[in-house]
Amino acid sequence: KAGVTQTPRYLIKTRGQQVTLSCSPISGHRSVSWYQQTPGQGLQFLFEYFSETQRNKGNFPGRFSGRQFSNSRSEMNVSTLELGDSALYLCASKREGDYRNEQFFGPGTRLTVL
Amino acid sequence: QKEVEQNSGPLSVPEGAIASLNCTYSDRGSQSFFWYRQYSGKSPELIMFIYSNGDKEDGRFTAQLNKASQYVSLLIRDSQPSDSATYLCAVNRWRNTGFQKLVFGTGTRLLVSP
Repeated sequence: KAGVTQTPRYLIKTRGQQVTLSCSPISGHRSVSWYQQTPGQGLQFLFEYFSETQRNKGNFPGRFSGRQFSNSRSEMNVSTLELGDSALYLCASKREGDYRNEQFFGPGTRLTVL
Repeated sequence: QKEVEQNSGPLSVPEGAIASLNCTYSDRGSQSFFWYRQYSGKSPELIMFIYSNGDKEDGRFTAQLNKASQYVSLLIRDSQPSDSATYLCAVNRWRNTGFQKLVFGTGTRLLVSP
C-alpha cells in the first residue's frame, strides 16, 4: 500500500507571497492532519480534516488555511508569507475509528521563505 | 509549562549500551502515548505505542508508562549507530470538542558512537 505523499518536496518563496501544499493520504484513510516542524518549536499541530470538514484546529493565525477534497486529498495554504513560516510541513493520515490516533506521516514539504 | 517535555540532548551512548529516553506530560487525561523516530531530513516514523501502565517490549525497544507520575520512557537495548536519530514523544488526548489531538515533545537527539 502506498504511503502518504506530499508535493512539492521543496519550495522557496519570498515574504508576502502565498503558497499551497498538497497531501494525498494512504488509501482508505479519510483523516488528514497538518503539522509544522521547526527546530525551536518542534512539531506543532495546524489542523485536521475529515470528510471535507475541518474538525480540529491548532493555534495558528488565519493566514494558515486548508481544505480537503472528496477523495480525501488535502491542501494547505499559507498567505502573506513571513520569514518565520520557514519550516518542514508534514501531513499525516490515519484510519477513522482508530482509538490509538496513530498518525502516518508523509515525507514533508520543506518551505523556505526569503 | 509545555504539555509534553523532553530533554533535547544530545544523549550520547556507545554502541551496545542501553539508551534511556524520557518524556513527561502535563495532562492527566492523556490516554495513549507514542514514540516516533525521526532521522535528519526525514519524517517521523512510529516505533512504539503504549496505552497501559507498565512496560511494553518490541525487539530492542521497551516503552515504560507511569500515569500516576505522568512520564513515559523509551529504552533501546544494544544501541546501534543506526539508532542515531531524534526521538519524539507524542501524547494523545481528547479535546473538549470530542476529537483527539496528538501533542508532540520537541524530541531528544540520540547519538550512538561505534
